[in-house]
Amino acid sequence: DIQMTQSPSTLSASVGDRVTITCRASLSISDWLAWYQQKPGKAPKLLIYKASSLHFGVPSRFRGSGFGTEFTLTISSLQPDDFATYYCQQYNSYSEYTFGQGTKLEIQ
Amino acid sequence: QVQLQESGPGLVKPSRTLSLTCTVSGGSISDGGGYYWTWFRQHPGKGPEWVGYIYYGGNSYYSPSLKSRLTIFIDTSRNQFSLKLTSVTAADTAIYYCARVESDGYLAYWGQGTLVTVSS
Repeated sequence: DIQMTQSPSTLSASVGDRVTITCRASLSISDWLAWYQQKPGKAPKLLIYKASSLHFGVPSRFRGSGFGTEFTLTISSLQPDDFATYYCQQYNSYSEYTFGQGTKLEIQ
Repeated sequence: QVQLQESGPGLVKPSRTLSLTCTVSGGSISDGGGYYWTWFRQHPGKGPEWVGYIYYGGNSYYSPSLKSRLTIFIDTSRNQFSLKLTSVTAADTAIYYCARVESDGYLAYWGQGTLVTVSS
């Protein structure tokens, strides 16, 4: 099984800050990685797919990068609506889809 | 715009069978297009856990940890796919989501989720 590890688990920041979340895969997954945003009581919302492709309608302040085993999600200038939990997900293999444990982005 | 909606009992007794249905609207489940139809579940404070998926032609694949108790099937006439999980325990208490897997493997469309509690 491929394990996905995110860091940090919690991140405190202010509106306007630039923040970066890291996701590491236990095996190489090429660029088969997606990022999601989840708010309480809601389903995950796709932000980024194929490591760096911005999903339709997602603001350009969200940027994904990485390849192989290390990936990052950067939010360039935090907006009030961005405070949520973020998950990475690998889809390297059609036999499993694995999410990270999440990074909670809190208002400082 | 594709929309998915889960339905089913919110409370299931231990050792019984958990049954959920996902109704798809805004597109046909049998359009093909390389899409898979999938179930995830999420325990409090955890990331989503993949349960299994099915293709419109009927091919399915299940999480190894659930495989012995799980069946996912598809009803193209109703534009629905369903999950049955037998012999449930408290560990199966979670929010269950249905979603569409794009041909690349990411998940662009999700249902709103439904909480299933296993309790007597």
